[in-house]
Amino acid sequence: DTGVSQNPRHKITKRGQNVTFRCDPISEHNRLYWYRQTLGQGPEFLTYFQNEAQLEKSRLLSDRFSAERPKGSFSTLEIQRTEQGDSAMYLCASSPRLEPWEQYFGPGTRLTVT
Amino acid sequence: SQQGEEDPQALSIQEGENATMNCSYKTSINNLQWYRQNSGRGLVHLILIRSNEREKHSGRLRVTLDTSKKSSSLLITASRAADTASYFCATDDAAGNKLTFGGGTRVLVKP
Repeated sequence: DTGVSQNPRHKITKRGQNVTFRCDPISEHNRLYWYRQTLGQGPEFLTYFQNEAQLEKSRLLSDRFSAERPKGSFSTLEIQRTEQGDSAMYLCASSPRLEPWEQYFGPGTRLTVT
Repeated sequence: SQQGEEDPQALSIQEGENATMNCSYKTSINNLQWYRQNSGRGLVHLILIRSNEREKHSGRLRVTLDTSKKSSSLLITASRAADTASYFCATDDAAGNKLTFGGGTRVLVKP
């Protein structure tokens, strides 16, 4: 399968711990996006990369959050000092170089902070 | 903030019936995309319609776009139990930019 993959699929952590999620986009896609989705809501944009450059960050992305895409391929999203309010589904998407830039989503990482 | 608003929030129909849901948005858009999400899973891309298009079809799906009213509709014909899911519209305001999602329509198709 050559879709977007995310690991881990589920993560349970205690408040105050750091967590890191990984996203592997579709191989020929140069844009990569992170979204967060809470129960019953639509996804909300966090940040996106074009190749290795991080082009936009939402104000939802507090200083406890950091995202990287060091070689323009996979990306990581780290949350430091997790809080219970960080519990959500974290979704990664990628889109191709050429228009119309449909975004294809991975299965998500469900984070539960206890 | 969520730009799109889906209507209705929930829809229950019998298998074989058509399901129609609407999406309204506030600012000008480049593209509008529809996604399906099964409970607790990732989003599946259904269809993209560009701002200069008015209607698009894909299998049992029909999407319309009215930029003068800032609204779109998704029609699923001859629904199946497997169509049970949440459906989201999402807009982008510039080429390849972030998507802004609505709150979704939860569709239940009863066998």
